[in-house]
Amino acid sequence: ILNVEQSPQSLHVQEGDSTNFTCSFPSSNFYALHWYRWETAKSPEALFVMTLNGDEKKKGRISATLNTKEGYSYLYIKGSQPEDSATYLCALEGNTPLVFGKGTRLSVIA
Amino acid sequence: EPEVTQTPSHQVTQMGQEVILRCVPISNHLYFYWYRQILGQKVEFLVSFYNNEISEKSEIFDDQFSVERPDGSNFTLKIRSTKLEDSAMYFCASSDAPLAGVNTGELFFGEGSRLTVL
Repeated sequence: ILNVEQSPQSLHVQEGDSTNFTCSFPSSNFYALHWYRWETAKSPEALFVMTLNGDEKKKGRISATLNTKEGYSYLYIKGSQPEDSATYLCALEGNTPLVFGKGTRLSVIA
Repeated sequence: EPEVTQTPSHQVTQMGQEVILRCVPISNHLYFYWYRQILGQKVEFLVSFYNNEISEKSEIFDDQFSVERPDGSNFTLKIRSTKLEDSAMYFCASSDAPLAGVNTGELFFGEGSRLTVL
């Protein structure tokens, strides 16, 4: 059974701080890594789908990197804003359609 | 912007009752999924559906579960005889391309249906 781990479990940062969190996964049977942003009472929103080792993707102040050989991905948020407060989920696409981590809950304090 | 819609948003049912959760995927999508999240746990895959048949299912998706695309727009999850441990948030998702491979699809999720079994 594939296991995807995310750390930290939760994070509180001040508005304007930059932050990052980690998604770890087994490097075998890798097809892609998905990052989602999930606000309370809303649907998870796709941020990135990453497939290649060394991939780096960016959307506004949010970026992500991928290392498939060592089995990790980092998500970075530059200059956090209160509207960035959400749970950030990563999901591994391997032999099963998406195995999720437990998420990192980010709270940005104004 | 097109979105996946789910109904009901919350359903409370008695143990042993049948429940149907409904989803309207994005209209030009061909691949459909159900996931669930038990409170405090990870989001788990239940089933994927393509071309009017199940393409993959997890161990969770036993004989009590079934899926159907009764018309061109709806995608339903039925739980025949609910158990306490079926209480969870159930998410429907759709994509326009299959997961896996170089051109992997992106999943679009609904807001979820919260099922409470008493």
